[in-house]
Amino acid sequence: DTEVTQTPKHLVMGMTNKKSLKCEQHMGHRAMYWYKQKAKKPPELMFVYSYEKLSINESVPSRFSPECPNSSLLNLHLHALQPEDSALYLCASSQGGLAGVGTGELFFGEGSRLTVL
Amino acid sequence: QQPVQSPQAVILREGEDAVINCSSSKALYSVHWYRQKHGEAPVFLMILLKGGEQKGHEKISASFNEKKQQSSLYLTASQLSYSGTYFCGTGGKETSGSRLTFGEGTQLTVNP
Repeated sequence: DTEVTQTPKHLVMGMTNKKSLKCEQHMGHRAMYWYKQKAKKPPELMFVYSYEKLSINESVPSRFSPECPNSSLLNLHLHALQPEDSALYLCASSQGGLAGVGTGELFFGEGSRLTVL
Repeated sequence: QQPVQSPQAVILREGEDAVINCSSSKALYSVHWYRQKHGEAPVFLMILLKGGEQKGHEKISASFNEKKQQSSLYLTASQLSYSGTYFCGTGGKETSGSRLTFGEGTQLTVNP
């Protein structure tokens, strides 16, 4: 099983809603990531979890709150988002943790397309 | 700092070759290459590490010039399936492969 599964595939929410994006992998990877991708732009790193601990937060606004309940799951909790937060949110995983990851090949999920009204 | 990719776009006929370049203004430890088709997730192609180690796709090759802080992706005898946007991702030594900064991408179109 070499898949990273993300749900939901599409999400429409209002600025006052609270919603969550979910990501799951069963490859035994110990690093998991959230990326944000706008149309015709590259993925931008938001968060990195290494061995279930938050390792990198790329100065993401607090209306995005990541959570890693266990080594296979990664959530992104959304609250009071703005229309400019509309984007494709990609989850990825890689072998090993942050330190000493020589190859760090990323396996991406299909993404959750978020629209904020 | 974001790497610079060139060209921004390229159109080929099936069977033609293409080269996509990626350059950085800072010292590189690793360069990753990914391809993303419209509406799909990015897919890993190749990793090049400082010191010459490579790992990747059997039909795609790449080079990594550490001194010039550049990498090039070589697509030979292109197939229709090669169409997509190619991103290079660069990492410094302090974070190995985990914190990648992606270039703006090169859109490759292969026509019959």
